[in-house]
Amino acid sequence: AQKVTQAQTEISVVEKEDVTLDCVYETRDTTYYLFWYKQPPSGELVFLIRRNSFDEQNEISGRYSWNFQKSTSSFNFTITASQVVDSAVYFCALSESTQGGSEKLVFGKGTKLTVNP
Amino acid sequence: EAQVTQNPRYLITVTGKKLTVTCSQNMNHEYMSWYRQDPGLGLRQIYYSMNVEVTDKGDVPEGYKVSRKEKRNFPLILESPSPNQTSLYFCASRATGYSGHYGYTFGSGTRLTVV
Repeated sequence: AQKVTQAQTEISVVEKEDVTLDCVYETRDTTYYLFWYKQPPSGELVFLIRRNSFDEQNEISGRYSWNFQKSTSSFNFTITASQVVDSAVYFCALSESTQGGSEKLVFGKGTKLTVNP
Repeated sequence: EAQVTQNPRYLITVTGKKLTVTCSQNMNHEYMSWYRQDPGLGLRQIYYSMNVEVTDKGDVPEGYKVSRKEKRNFPLILESPSPNQTSLYFCASRATGYSGHYGYTFGSGTRLTVV
């Protein structure tokens, strides 16, 4: 069965520090998708990144970067030079996508990041 | 604008009074799904639908019903709400077969309180 583990429940850093949010997943499928979402205090879910299981290239988008390692079933998220506006709950999610079959998106329990000025 | 629209955003109701939370998407997506978010538990899937008239249970379907009579709409029905259904609810959709660059599109959420 699918499972996503975000072991860090809460992280608190000081502005400008780098911070890494961990995500470990379990799946039996060879084709799957991984996502990161941000949930600011306002409550909406903001899409950050999608990665499919065949693309292990790391990605950088501004201060955000993602490290996908199939060998360790991990998809970690790093924020460089954190800012107060990065304070939010971050969710890692896993989707097994089967053409014509059932589909399920499973979320980790989230990591609450607080960036202090 | 491509979006998933949930209504209402906030709802306070009493135990046992039937209610419906609506969800509508304008992207012609086949797949739609409902999640509830609770502190310490993250988001859990309630029901999902692969297409019109095709629905299936997620992880926490008890106490909920859904229907998919049209592609764009996927309402969540609570026939007899109870306080343990107090939660933040999200609807999501995506195209099947090709999830596109943005994957799943989520609504803005419905905060439900059952007293």
